[in-house]
Amino acid sequence: KAGVTQTPRYLIKTRGQQVTLSCSPISGHRSVSWYQQTPGQGLQFLFEYFSETQRNKGNFPGRFSGRQFSNSRSEMNVSTLELGDSALYLCASSDGTGNVNYGYTFGSGTRLTVV
Amino acid sequence: GESVGLHLPTLSVQEGDNSIINCAYSNSASDYFIWYKQESGKGPQFIIDIRSNMDKRQGQRVTVLLNKTVKHLSLQIAATQPGDSAVYFCADSGGSNYKLTFGKGTLLTVNP
Repeated sequence: KAGVTQTPRYLIKTRGQQVTLSCSPISGHRSVSWYQQTPGQGLQFLFEYFSETQRNKGNFPGRFSGRQFSNSRSEMNVSTLELGDSALYLCASSDGTGNVNYGYTFGSGTRLTVV
Repeated sequence: GESVGLHLPTLSVQEGDNSIINCAYSNSASDYFIWYKQESGKGPQFIIDIRSNMDKRQGQRVTVLLNKTVKHLSLQIAATQPGDSAVYFCADSGGSNYKLTFGKGTLLTVNP
C-alpha cells in the first residue's frame, strides 16, 4: 500500500513568487491535512480537507490556501512568498471519519526555501 | 517575543536502557493523543496513540501513559536502540477539530 506522496521534495523560490505543493494521500483516505514545520515555531497546523471541503484552518495569513480534488489529492498554494515561509511543509493523510482512530500518516514533506 | 529557534529538550541514553519522554498538553478537551518519531529528512512517523478513556497503552517496546488530571503524557521506550535516535513529538487532537497540536519535541540520542 503506497504511503503519502508529496511533490516536489525540494523547492527554491524567490520572494514575491507563488508556489504550489502537492499531496497524494494513502489510497482510501479522504482527509488531508497540511502542517508547516520550522525551527522557530515547530509543527503548526495549516488546514484540513475532507471530501473536497475545508473543515478546519489554522492561524496563517490568507496567502496560504489549499484545495482538495475528487480523488482526494490535495494542493496547497502560497502566494507572494516571504523569507519566513521557508519551511518543511508536511501533509498528513487519514481516514477522516474518526471512527477507528485518526491515524494520521505523514508524508516526507516538501522543503521550501525562499531566497 | 517570538523565539529564534526551538530549544528542544534532549535526552541521552545508553543502548539497552529504558527511555522516558515527557509531554504536557494544554487543552483539557483533547481526547486523542499520538506520539510521533521524526528522523532527519523525514516526516513524522506514527509510534503509538491513546484515547482519553485509557491511561495506558502498550505497543512493541513502547508504552504511552496518560495522566488527564495534570494533562501529562509520557512515552516509554524499552531497551532503547541506536535506531531509536530521533526527535519525538507528542500531539493531541484538541477536541476533535480535525487537527493536531504538536508539542515542541524531544531529541533522543542513543549512545552505543
